[in-house]
Formats: sequence, structure tokens, C-alpha cells
Amino acid sequence: RKEVEQDPGPFNVPEGATVAFNCTYSNSASQSFFWYRQDCRKEPKLLMSVYSSGNEDGRFTAQLNRASQYISLLIRDSKLSDSATYLCVVNTGNQFYFGTGTSLTVIP
Amino acid sequence: DGGITQSPKYLFRKEGQNVTLSCEQNLNHDAMYWYRQDPGQGLRLIYYSQIVNDFQKGDIAEGYSVSREKKESFPLTVTSAQKNPTAFYLCASSIGMRDEQFFGPGTRLTVL
Repeated sequence: RKEVEQDPGPFNVPEGATVAFNCTYSNSASQSFFWYRQDCRKEPKLLMSVYSSGNEDGRFTAQLNRASQYISLLIRDSKLSDSATYLCVVNTGNQFYFGTGTSLTVIP
Repeated sequence: DGGITQSPKYLFRKEGQNVTLSCEQNLNHDAMYWYRQDPGQGLRLIYYSQIVNDFQKGDIAEGYSVSREKKESFPLTVTSAQKNPTAFYLCASSIGMRDEQFFGPGTRLTVL
């Protein structure tokens, strides 16, 4: 079983739509959680950390559900510039585990 | 400006040759990492280092070697023993092992 699993998509949504991604993790002792964004042929860039209480940054909201072992990312009012691959990342205290990513294309 | 640099951006190698990828950071981070990314796959950890003069194997260390002689630098050598070295190589650093990682721009290695 993979440490981190994501729906690869692709998600194709119109501008202005709301889209949500989920990610599940297998290690119940995981300690920190992140969402990264990766554009084609570029390095991953930190989008946001995910806290137990949930956190919001503008149009982006991240949630953590420890009981069910999943994290989510909600993007409101999608922009064309949001088109990218979104990586879920889980840290167990001594190693990071990356999901394979969810591809998002925002359509005009 | 603080950040992580990797060089070269593109690298071509003949089979049987060793090649070294550079990674430098001026973020004063203790931890550094090397990952490999193949199309359609997640990042896989090759080696990591928590502190100068110490490093540990990751999930796919065979055919690779590293050194950590300075806090700022964590070069990766891809040896001829690596069976399928063509990939996108990413270096990252973090303050500590539980903190968010920051990535360099990557090196695309192609074996001809």
C-alpha cells in the first residue's frame, strides 16, 4: 500500500468553479502535512501547510482529518493560472512522502 | 536572495559515465534531500542529510552517492551502476526533518 494516495485526475474545470482534491495517507503517526503545486517541467513549490484546525490562504483552504487519515485542498473561484499538478505531502517525522499528484486544468 | 540552486539545468551523459549534480542553498537549512521524479510518478527519495558530514540512504539509493562536507552543499553523483538514470532530479532543503521543504529548479539528466 502506498504511503500517500491521490486521485490523479485530470480535473478539467471552468474558470470560477470550485474544485476539491483529497489525499489519503497510511501512517497514522504522520506529523506534518503539506500541499505543493508543480507546474509542467518545474520544481514543486509549497502552496500551504495543513494544520489540524484547518487553514485558509485566500482562495485556498486546506483541511486535515486525522481520524480518517486524509487531507483536502479546496480551490474557490478557479483562475487559469491555477492550472498545475497539486502534490499532497506527508511527513512521518523522519521522512517525507509525496503523492503522485492531481492534475488540474482550468478552462476559459 | 535566499534559495536553492541546482546545476546544470540539463545534462547529457553517455552510458558508463559517472556524473555529479550540484545543489547549493543559502537558506541556512540543516536538512537537504535528493529526489528523482519520473513521468507519472511521485518523487522518490534518493538520499538525505540532516546535518553536515552525515547522510542516509533513501528508498532508491542504489547507483547513487552523495557527500555533505559543507552545510550549503549536497552534491549527488549518479554512477554507472545506476540502471536507469534518465530522470528529473530535484534537490530540496528544510530547517529540520519535519519542516516544509523548498526545492531547487531541478536537473534533467538524459543518458544517451
